[in-house]
Amino acid sequence: AQSVTQLGSHVSVSEGALVLLRCNYSSSVPPYLFWYVQYPNQGLQLLLKYTSAATLVKGINGFEAEFKKSETSFHLTKPSAHMSDAAEYFCAVSDTGFQKLVFGTGTRLLVSP
Amino acid sequence: DAGVTQSPTHLIKTRGQQVTLRCSPKSGHDTVSWYQQALGQGPQFIFQYYEEEERQRGNFPDRFSGHQFPNYSSELNVNALLLGDSALYLCASSSRQGDRYGYTFGSGTRLTVV
Repeated sequence: AQSVTQLGSHVSVSEGALVLLRCNYSSSVPPYLFWYVQYPNQGLQLLLKYTSAATLVKGINGFEAEFKKSETSFHLTKPSAHMSDAAEYFCAVSDTGFQKLVFGTGTRLLVSP
Repeated sequence: DAGVTQSPTHLIKTRGQQVTLRCSPKSGHDTVSWYQQALGQGPQFIFQYYEEEERQRGNFPDRFSGHQFPNYSSELNVNALLLGDSALYLCASSSRQGDRYGYTFGSGTRLTVV
């Protein structure tokens, strides 16, 4: 069965610092992987997705993620944090051919001045 | 271009009552999925509708049911509400290859059961 593990329920960084949010997945078939962001009292916004093309995926707002099959990881990074990046981030997996997303428990990113 | 629209935005119901939530998908999308997001948790898949039929279902009881209309809009119905049904209910729309191209989520309906 598919599953996603997000290490760290909270991550705190200073403005301008590197952002690294960790995601490890479990899937019996080649997966599709997604990162979503959720701002308070809002729905989910797609940041980026991996669909078996390039292993380094660039998304919106300067975020990127690298698919590493050997490590079953899909960590999200951003070189320089901005105050507006403070939000909840969810990693999700979808097995090819299956039409549902399995989400991790989320990581809350806190950005301090 | 309107995205996914959900109504109502907030709802308070009493235990044992029934509730209907509504979703209009993004233009060009024909597949609608529903998710339940409890406080502090990631969204959990409830079910998905395509061509007016339920195609996949998550681990939710039969109290949760849905419907899709010819215009692709969808409803989520929950009967015999329990306190534990209090959550943010998210609707996501996609084309049939949503697993490849991604899903567009609405802002959700916050359901509180008292």
